[in-house]
Amino acid sequence: AQKVTQAQTEISVVEKEDVTLDCVYETRDTTYYLFWYKQPPSGELVFLIRRNSFDEQNEISGRYSWNFQKSTSSFNFTITASQVVDSAVYFCALSENSGGGADGLTFGKGTHLIIQP
Amino acid sequence: DAGVTQSPTHLIKTRGQQVTLRCSPKSGHDTVSWYQQALGQGPQFIFQYYEEEERQRGNFPDRFSGHQFPNYSSELNVNALLLGDSALYLCASSLKGFPRETFGSGTRLTVV
Repeated sequence: AQKVTQAQTEISVVEKEDVTLDCVYETRDTTYYLFWYKQPPSGELVFLIRRNSFDEQNEISGRYSWNFQKSTSSFNFTITASQVVDSAVYFCALSENSGGGADGLTFGKGTHLIIQP
Repeated sequence: DAGVTQSPTHLIKTRGQQVTLRCSPKSGHDTVSWYQQALGQGPQFIFQYYEEEERQRGNFPDRFSGHQFPNYSSELNVNALLLGDSALYLCASSLKGFPRETFGSGTRLTVV
């Protein structure tokens, strides 16, 4: 069965610091997708990124970057020069592919990121 | 272009009652998934509907059931409510073959 572990329950940094959120996953499938979602206090999950298991290229989008390493089953998320608006709960998630399309997501427990001014 | 809409936003029910939550998917999406998020936890997958059939189910009891209509909208029904069913219920939609779910803002269910 698949599993996602986010060992950091809460991280607090001062604005403009860089911060990395860790994600480790387990799956027996060779085809799967990894995601990061942001959940502000309003509750809606906001999509940040999706990677498929065959694409290990790291990705950068503005201040956000992602490091995917199959060898260590990790998909870490770094925010550079953090801002107060980045404060939220961040979830890493995994979806396997059971031949009919992507399966439901398995989420980690989330990391509560607090950016102090 | 409307995203995923859920109703109601908040609901209070008594233990033992039944509840129905509703979801309209994002325009162009044909697949709907439901998740339960307890306070301080990550969302847990309940089930997914495609072409009006339950395609996949998570580890939830039969008290949780659903339906998808021809217009792709969906309902989540929970019977014999327990205090532990209190949670935020999230609906997500996607287009089959394109694994990227769009989430609604959720329905906050409180069971007293």
